[in-house]
Amino acid sequence: EIVVTQSPATLSVSPGQRATLSCRASQSVSSHLAWYQQKPGQAPRLLIYAASTRATGIPARFTGSGPGTDFTLTISTLQSEDFAVYYCQQYRRWPLTFGGGTKVEI
Amino acid sequence: QLQLQESGPGLVKPSETLSLTCSVSGGSVYSSNYYWSWIRQPPGKGLEWIGNIYYIGSTHYNPSLKSRVSMSIGGYRNQFSLRLESITAADTAVYYCARSRGGAYVFDIWGQGTVVTVSS
Repeated sequence: EIVVTQSPATLSVSPGQRATLSCRASQSVSSHLAWYQQKPGQAPRLLIYAASTRATGIPARFTGSGPGTDFTLTISTLQSEDFAVYYCQQYRRWPLTFGGGTKVEI
Repeated sequence: QLQLQESGPGLVKPSETLSLTCSVSGGSVYSSNYYWSWIRQPPGKGLEWIGNIYYIGSTHYNPSLKSRVSMSIGGYRNQFSLRLESITAADTAVYYCARSRGGAYVFDIWGQGTVVTVSS
Protein backbone atom coordinates (compact mmCIF):
# COMPACT_ATOMS: atom_id res chain seq x y z
CA GLU A 1 0.00 0.00 0.00
CA ILE A 2 1.26 3.49 -0.84
CA VAL A 3 1.21 5.65 2.26
CA VAL A 4 0.44 9.32 1.67
CA THR A 5 1.55 11.86 4.27
CA GLN A 6 0.44 15.49 4.37
CA SER A 7 2.07 18.38 6.16
CA PRO A 8 1.49 20.46 8.08
CA ALA A 9 -1.59 19.14 9.84
CA THR A 10 -2.77 22.71 10.37
CA LEU A 11 -1.77 25.86 8.50
CA SER A 12 -2.66 29.23 9.93
CA VAL A 13 -2.76 31.99 7.35
CA SER A 14 -4.51 35.30 6.72
CA PRO A 15 -6.78 36.16 3.80
CA GLY A 16 -4.74 37.43 0.88
CA GLN A 17 -1.68 35.40 1.83
CA ARG A 18 -0.20 32.43 0.01
CA ALA A 19 -0.67 28.91 1.37
CA THR A 20 1.60 26.00 0.52
CA LEU A 21 0.48 22.46 1.38
CA SER A 22 2.69 19.39 1.05
CA CYS A 23 1.94 15.77 0.22
CA ARG A 24 4.48 12.96 0.18
CA ALA A 25 3.98 9.45 -1.15
CA SER A 26 5.92 6.47 0.21
CA GLN A 27 6.90 5.54 -3.35
CA SER A 28 6.69 7.22 -6.71
CA VAL A 29 3.15 7.74 -7.98
CA SER A 30 4.30 9.50 -11.14
CA SER A 31 1.64 12.18 -11.73
CA HIS A 32 -1.21 10.08 -10.35
CA LEU A 33 -2.09 12.46 -7.56
CA ALA A 34 -5.20 14.48 -6.84
CA TRP A 35 -6.17 17.21 -4.38
CA TYR A 36 -9.57 17.75 -2.76
CA GLN A 37 -11.10 20.48 -0.64
CA GLN A 38 -13.59 19.67 2.10
CA LYS A 39 -15.65 22.15 4.08
CA PRO A 40 -17.52 21.23 7.28
CA GLY A 41 -20.60 19.12 6.64
CA GLN A 42 -19.85 18.79 2.93
CA ALA A 43 -18.46 16.12 0.65
CA PRO A 44 -14.95 16.67 -0.70
CA ARG A 45 -14.58 18.58 -3.97
CA LEU A 46 -12.00 17.68 -6.60
CA LEU A 47 -9.53 20.52 -7.15
CA ILE A 48 -6.54 19.07 -8.97
CA TYR A 49 -5.78 15.79 -10.76
CA ALA A 50 -2.75 14.48 -12.61
CA ALA A 51 -0.73 16.44 -10.05
CA SER A 52 -1.23 19.81 -11.76
CA THR A 53 -4.45 19.86 -13.83
CA ARG A 54 -7.26 21.93 -12.38
CA ALA A 55 -10.69 20.32 -12.36
CA THR A 56 -13.58 22.02 -14.10
CA GLY A 57 -14.49 25.33 -12.51
CA ILE A 58 -11.52 25.51 -10.14
CA PRO A 59 -10.00 29.00 -9.91
CA ALA A 60 -6.51 29.65 -11.21
CA ARG A 61 -5.27 30.57 -7.72
CA PHE A 62 -5.06 26.80 -7.02
CA THR A 63 -1.87 25.30 -8.43
CA GLY A 64 -0.52 21.79 -8.06
CA SER A 65 2.99 20.51 -8.69
CA GLY A 66 4.75 17.15 -8.84
CA PRO A 67 5.51 14.42 -10.07
CA GLY A 68 7.23 11.62 -8.20
CA THR A 69 6.91 11.41 -4.44
CA ASP A 70 6.70 15.04 -3.32
CA PHE A 71 3.76 17.22 -4.29
CA THR A 72 2.59 20.71 -3.46
CA LEU A 73 -0.72 22.50 -3.57
CA THR A 74 -0.38 26.27 -3.61
CA ILE A 75 -3.22 28.69 -3.05
CA SER A 76 -1.80 31.96 -4.32
CA THR A 77 -4.11 34.48 -2.64
CA LEU A 78 -6.33 33.00 0.03
CA GLN A 79 -9.97 33.94 -0.14
CA SER A 80 -12.37 33.51 2.76
CA GLU A 81 -14.01 30.54 1.04
CA ASP A 82 -10.67 28.70 0.86
CA PHE A 83 -10.51 27.98 4.58
CA ALA A 84 -11.13 24.24 4.67
CA VAL A 85 -9.42 20.87 4.94
CA TYR A 86 -7.39 19.69 1.96
CA TYR A 87 -6.65 16.06 1.12
CA CYS A 88 -4.34 14.51 -1.42
CA GLN A 89 -4.98 11.09 -2.95
CA GLN A 90 -2.77 8.78 -4.98
CA TYR A 91 -4.22 6.64 -7.74
CA ARG A 92 -1.04 5.00 -9.04
CA ARG A 93 -1.68 1.69 -7.32
CA TRP A 94 -4.44 -0.18 -5.52
CA PRO A 95 -5.67 0.46 -2.93
CA LEU A 96 -6.39 4.11 -3.57
CA THR A 97 -5.13 6.04 -0.55
CA PHE A 98 -5.60 9.51 0.90
CA GLY A 99 -3.37 11.65 3.03
CA GLY A 100 -4.50 12.62 6.50
CA GLY A 101 -5.40 16.16 5.48
CA THR A 102 -4.22 19.72 6.09
CA LYS A 103 -6.57 22.17 7.75
CA VAL A 104 -6.16 25.72 6.47
CA GLU A 105 -7.40 28.11 9.11
CA ILE A 106 -7.32 31.79 9.86
CA GLN B 1 -25.82 16.92 -14.37
CA LEU B 2 -25.11 13.61 -12.72
CA GLN B 3 -26.05 13.34 -9.07
CA LEU B 4 -25.47 10.65 -6.45
CA GLN B 5 -27.58 9.98 -3.39
CA GLU B 6 -26.72 7.54 -0.61
CA SER B 7 -29.40 5.78 1.40
CA GLY B 8 -29.43 3.28 4.22
CA PRO B 9 -29.93 2.86 7.96
CA GLY B 10 -28.44 5.52 10.16
CA LEU B 11 -28.01 3.11 13.07
CA VAL B 12 -26.63 -0.42 12.94
CA LYS B 13 -26.01 -2.83 15.80
CA PRO B 14 -22.57 -4.36 16.33
CA SER B 15 -21.98 -7.66 14.51
CA GLU B 16 -24.75 -6.90 12.00
CA THR B 17 -24.37 -6.19 8.29
CA LEU B 18 -24.49 -2.66 6.91
CA SER B 19 -26.21 -2.22 3.54
CA LEU B 20 -26.05 1.07 1.68
CA THR B 21 -27.30 2.08 -1.75
CA CYS B 22 -26.19 4.88 -4.04
CA SER B 23 -28.84 6.06 -6.49
CA VAL B 24 -27.59 7.70 -9.67
CA SER B 25 -29.58 10.35 -11.53
CA GLY B 26 -28.67 12.32 -14.64
CA GLY B 27 -26.52 9.48 -15.95
CA SER B 28 -26.19 5.71 -16.05
CA VAL B 29 -24.20 3.30 -13.88
CA TYR B 30 -23.89 1.22 -17.05
CA SER B 31 -21.53 3.68 -18.71
CA SER B 32 -18.23 2.05 -19.66
CA ASN B 33 -16.44 5.33 -18.89
CA TYR B 34 -16.84 5.31 -15.12
CA TYR B 35 -16.16 3.41 -11.93
CA TRP B 36 -18.28 3.74 -8.83
CA SER B 37 -16.72 3.92 -5.39
CA TRP B 38 -17.54 3.94 -1.71
CA ILE B 39 -15.44 6.10 0.60
CA ARG B 40 -15.90 6.65 4.30
CA GLN B 41 -14.86 9.20 6.88
CA PRO B 42 -14.94 8.48 10.62
CA PRO B 43 -15.93 11.42 12.82
CA GLY B 44 -13.18 14.04 12.84
CA LYS B 45 -10.87 11.90 10.74
CA GLY B 46 -9.68 11.53 7.16
CA LEU B 47 -10.96 9.68 4.12
CA GLU B 48 -10.72 5.93 3.52
CA TRP B 49 -11.44 4.36 0.16
CA ILE B 50 -13.51 1.18 0.61
CA GLY B 51 -13.65 -0.09 -2.95
CA ASN B 52 -15.15 0.38 -6.39
CA ILE B 53 -17.23 -1.43 -8.97
CA TYR B 54 -17.41 -1.27 -12.74
CA TYR B 55 -20.60 -1.61 -14.78
CA ILE B 56 -19.83 -5.24 -15.63
CA GLY B 57 -19.60 -6.06 -11.94
CA SER B 58 -15.82 -6.24 -11.56
CA THR B 59 -14.54 -4.86 -8.27
CA HIS B 60 -11.50 -3.62 -6.40
CA TYR B 61 -11.61 -3.62 -2.61
CA ASN B 62 -9.36 -2.11 0.01
CA PRO B 63 -7.41 -5.03 1.54
CA SER B 64 -8.07 -3.62 5.01
CA LEU B 65 -11.79 -4.35 4.53
CA LYS B 66 -11.77 -6.98 1.81
CA SER B 67 -12.88 -9.88 4.00
CA ARG B 68 -16.03 -8.01 5.05
CA VAL B 69 -16.96 -6.00 1.94
CA SER B 70 -19.01 -6.74 -1.13
CA MET B 71 -20.41 -4.43 -3.81
CA SER B 72 -23.05 -4.90 -6.45
CA ILE B 73 -24.40 -2.82 -9.30
CA GLY B 74 -27.58 -2.27 -11.22
CA GLY B 75 -30.16 -4.90 -11.54
CA TYR B 76 -33.21 -3.08 -12.77
CA ARG B 77 -32.26 0.14 -11.05
CA ASN B 78 -29.68 2.82 -11.73
CA GLN B 79 -27.78 2.24 -8.53
CA PHE B 80 -24.93 0.44 -6.86
CA SER B 81 -24.65 -0.96 -3.37
CA LEU B 82 -22.29 -1.70 -0.50
CA ARG B 83 -22.45 -4.48 2.07
CA LEU B 84 -20.16 -4.46 5.07
CA GLU B 85 -20.38 -7.44 7.40
CA SER B 86 -19.56 -7.91 11.08
CA ILE B 87 -19.88 -4.24 11.89
CA THR B 88 -18.07 -2.76 14.91
CA ALA B 89 -17.92 0.69 16.45
CA ALA B 90 -14.84 1.38 14.30
CA ASP B 91 -17.14 1.37 11.25
CA THR B 92 -19.00 4.44 12.50
CA ALA B 93 -18.50 7.04 9.78
CA VAL B 94 -19.98 9.16 7.05
CA TYR B 95 -20.21 6.96 3.98
CA TYR B 96 -19.91 8.59 0.56
CA CYS B 97 -20.48 7.20 -2.88
CA ALA B 98 -18.47 8.76 -5.69
CA ARG B 99 -17.73 8.50 -9.40
CA SER B 100 -14.34 8.19 -11.04
CA ARG B 101 -13.20 7.77 -14.62
CA GLY B 102 -11.51 4.64 -15.80
CA GLY B 103 -7.74 4.98 -15.84
CA ALA B 104 -7.76 8.07 -13.64
CA TYR B 105 -9.32 7.05 -10.39
CA VAL B 106 -10.07 10.51 -9.05
CA PHE B 107 -13.46 11.31 -7.64
CA ASP B 108 -15.12 14.08 -9.60
CA ILE B 109 -18.68 13.64 -8.35
CA TRP B 110 -19.68 12.76 -4.80
CA GLY B 111 -22.90 12.08 -2.98
CA GLN B 112 -23.73 14.19 0.05
CA GLY B 113 -22.84 11.33 2.39
CA THR B 114 -24.87 9.32 4.87
CA VAL B 115 -24.05 9.02 8.57
CA VAL B 116 -23.81 5.49 9.91
CA THR B 117 -23.55 4.94 13.65
CA VAL B 118 -22.75 1.54 15.10
CA SER B 119 -24.27 1.11 18.52
CA SER B 120 -26.34 -1.37 20.46
